[in-house]
Amino acid sequence: DGGITQSPKYLFRKEGQNVTLSCEQNLNHDAMYWYRQDPGQGLRLIYYSQIVNDFQKGDIAEGYSVSREKKESFPLTVTSAQKNPTAFYLCASSVGTTFGEAFFGQGTRLTVV
Amino acid sequence: SQQGEEDPQALSIQEGENATMNCSYKTSINNLQWYRQNSGRGLVHLILIRSNEREKHSGRLRVTLDTSKKSSSLLITASRAADTASYFCATDVGGGTSYGKLTFGQGTILTVHP
Repeated sequence: DGGITQSPKYLFRKEGQNVTLSCEQNLNHDAMYWYRQDPGQGLRLIYYSQIVNDFQKGDIAEGYSVSREKKESFPLTVTSAQKNPTAFYLCASSVGTTFGEAFFGQGTRLTVV
Repeated sequence: SQQGEEDPQALSIQEGENATMNCSYKTSINNLQWYRQNSGRGLVHLILIRSNEREKHSGRLRVTLDTSKKSSSLLITASRAADTASYFCATDVGGGTSYGKLTFGQGTILTVHP
């Protein structure tokens, strides 16, 4: 089945730790996105990538890092510099510059303990 | 700040009634999309309307776009309890330093009572 997979579904982080959230797609999409969603809020763009080996900061990139070494993978690292990382993280992909629909993963819920 | 802003923030209706949600945005767009999110899940694409279109239908959904007012509306007709979800508009600003960004609004929480 084609789709976009995020893992893990739940993740717990201790203060001061870096954690990496996985996002993989087999849709052959060029564009991939990471969003953060806080309770009762909309989605805020963290990073996005239009092509392999290239990515741009979104609206709230501070404390996060990404890589795009392969077309199908766009992992997000939440660093210790992110002071309030507890949130629901959503990864998405789309065809690319024509901007058809975006396909979303089921999300990763990150909690700082 | 968010590119898209939905209104109302919450909407509560009875089954069978129509639900209308509005979205306003700030800059020129290539297209505008509507998504649905069930609690704790990913988003699901509902409909896309391009900047040169004024109205689009898909099943019980009707979307309008007014680029002069920078606004869009989503109408769900004959609502069902299963339509209960959050609904988001998303815009592709598609130009300059914002090329490639897909930006979402705050969403409207729709509750349909049986």
